[in-house]
Formats: sequence, structure tokens, C-alpha cells
Amino acid sequence: EVQLVESGGGLVQPGESLRLSCAASGFTFSSYEMNWVRQAPGKGLEWISNSSSSGSSIYYADSVKGRFTTSRDNAKNSLYLQMNSLRAEDTAVYYCARTYYSASGSRLLYFDHWGQGTLVTVSS
Amino acid sequence: EIVLTQSPGTLSLSPGEGITLSCRASQSVYSNIAWYQQKPGQAPRLLIYDASNRATGIPARFSGGGSGTDFTLTISSLEPEDFAVYYCQQGNRWPLTFGGGTKVEIK
Repeated sequence: EVQLVESGGGLVQPGESLRLSCAASGFTFSSYEMNWVRQAPGKGLEWISNSSSSGSSIYYADSVKGRFTTSRDNAKNSLYLQMNSLRAEDTAVYYCARTYYSASGSRLLYFDHWGQGTLVTVSS
Repeated sequence: EIVLTQSPGTLSLSPGEGITLSCRASQSVYSNIAWYQQKPGQAPRLLIYDASNRATGIPARFSGGGSGTDFTLTISSLEPEDFAVYYCQQGNRWPLTFGGGTKVEIK
């Protein structure tokens, strides 16, 4: 069974940093692209980052580019999100989500498995 | 950035009724649209990918259609567990974007 478990959320002050982790199990982590998606309280979903399977190629949304860094450790089956210079508008539940691959092996830019999310609150 | 506009914002319906939700893209995304269902306190669940393909384990009452800029998600007969928020998402180009969601609530 595919499992994604996020951790590392909490309450921080504006300008501070936080590192989120996503522990994966139940599939060959090193073969899959992974993503971070967030959801502000009572709001919709916002994709913020994608990592290639090796971690050599990373995409970011403009809203976090230059402040957030995604990385992964395939030996530890883990995805990370380093968040610096946090702002009040970064307050959200942060999900890690696996990129979908079709039965034929084609990578499709959708999300087929999600973690339960971890809440990040940025407030003074 | 491709903007996805979902309508309506909220729908109030009774179990057994059918429903069609709309998602419009600001430019063509071909068939690269997915639909997700999200219930309170839960992560989203993938329902439909590539506009019309049901994801694994999704009941046949869910169907998707459309191409280019206009897409639909149809639920043929609402079950009690279908009352939730539905999001569309485009997987055609970076940045990946979601629509604002349609809430389907019990009348």
C-alpha cells in the first residue's frame, strides 16, 4: 500500500524557516516524481513544487521560488521542503503528492497519492 | 499561467440527483485535465485523469469529458458519500494549476 507521511509542520514567526519531510513507503520511491501541494485554511489547492525522480530537476511556483527548496533522498525514501523567509500567506496544510504514471509508464502531471498533510502556521 | 475557472461555486442537491460540474481553462490544455474530490479534513482523491479516464477504483457514476478549454465532470446519481468539494487541475504546462473548486452540498 502506498503511504506518504508528512511531518515538520508547526507555528513559526514571519521571516523564520521550517523544514518539512515526507516519508514514502509501499512503492519504488526512486522511480517517481514527487510534488508539494498546499492548501490555505478554507481555500483551494496550490501546487508549489515538483521534483524529478532523481532530484536533479525541480520546478517551483512563482509564489515560492527563491524562498523554498525541494530536495529528496532516495536512499531514505524521503522528500523534503525547506521553507525560508516564511510569510503569513504561507500558512497552509502542506501535502506531498506522487506524480501519476499511466499503465503504459507515461508520466502524467497529476497526483495519484497524497499524504495526510502537515499544517504550517506563520504568525507573530 | 493557465487559469482554471470552475462553476458553479456551490451546488445544493439531493441524493439520487445527477450533476455536471464545469471547468474552463484560460487557454487550451488539450485533454490534460484531472478532477479530484476532497472531503473535510481529508487529502484530495484523484477521480479522473486526461479529461475522461477514471482513476483506479473510481465508480462508474463518475465521468469526465471535454477538450481544449472546456471540461465537465458528471456524477450520474449522487450517493451520500459524494457530497464534497471537487477541483479540476491542468497537467499541460508549468506551473500546474487548480481550479477554485465546486462545493456539492446536501440540500
